[in-house]
Amino acid sequence: KQEVTQIPAALSVPEGENLVLNCSFTDSAIYNLQWFRQDPGKGLTSLLLIQSSQREQTSGRLNASLDKSSGRSTLYIAASQPGDSATYLCAVGYGGSQGNLIFGKGTKLSVKP
Amino acid sequence: NAGVMQNPRHLVRRRGQEARLRCSPMKGHSHVYWYRQLPEEGLKFMVYLQKENIIDESGMPKERFSAEFPKEGPSILRIQQVVRGDSAAYFCASSHGTSGSSYEQYFGPGTRLTVT
Repeated sequence: KQEVTQIPAALSVPEGENLVLNCSFTDSAIYNLQWFRQDPGKGLTSLLLIQSSQREQTSGRLNASLDKSSGRSTLYIAASQPGDSATYLCAVGYGGSQGNLIFGKGTKLSVKP
Repeated sequence: NAGVMQNPRHLVRRRGQEARLRCSPMKGHSHVYWYRQLPEEGLKFMVYLQKENIIDESGMPKERFSAEFPKEGPSILRIQQVVRGDSAAYFCASSHGTSGSSYEQYFGPGTRLTVT
């Protein structure tokens, strides 16, 4: 069964800290992996997309890494800010006719000023 | 280039009524996906459509739920005879394709369905 797990479920840090969010998946034959951000009562904003052949992607203060063989991805957030407070979702895609993404339950991040 | 559009944003229905949720994909995208997010749960896949075709409906309940993506117009998720357990946020996503960077899915703001 294809499952995605995110640890921790919730995280509270003071402003300015660097932090790491973890994502693991059971079926390593992924096509790609996406990290999203969801604000309360809102939709999803795509942060980073990593293809299965890539090791990492960077966007501003965000860096996502992928270790396909071990079934893990991490999202690194540098110099956290209160505006980073949101739920971060990891999702894996297997491509082709299985076009859907399989989501983890997310990590709820709170950055305190 | 407008993003994925969903309407209505909020929908209240009484038990037994029908709910129709609409999704207009991003311009140039021909792949549409519907997901449901129950309170305190993760997003769960429901159905994957291309123009005029259902590709994968393995996540859709067998009864009362149907989806379409006609040649012209938005994709529609239809829920007949709604029950309280249908109360959830329904998200639509679209992609240009299912390979390489075209597989990146973009999400709409969601429709929050409340069944009273």
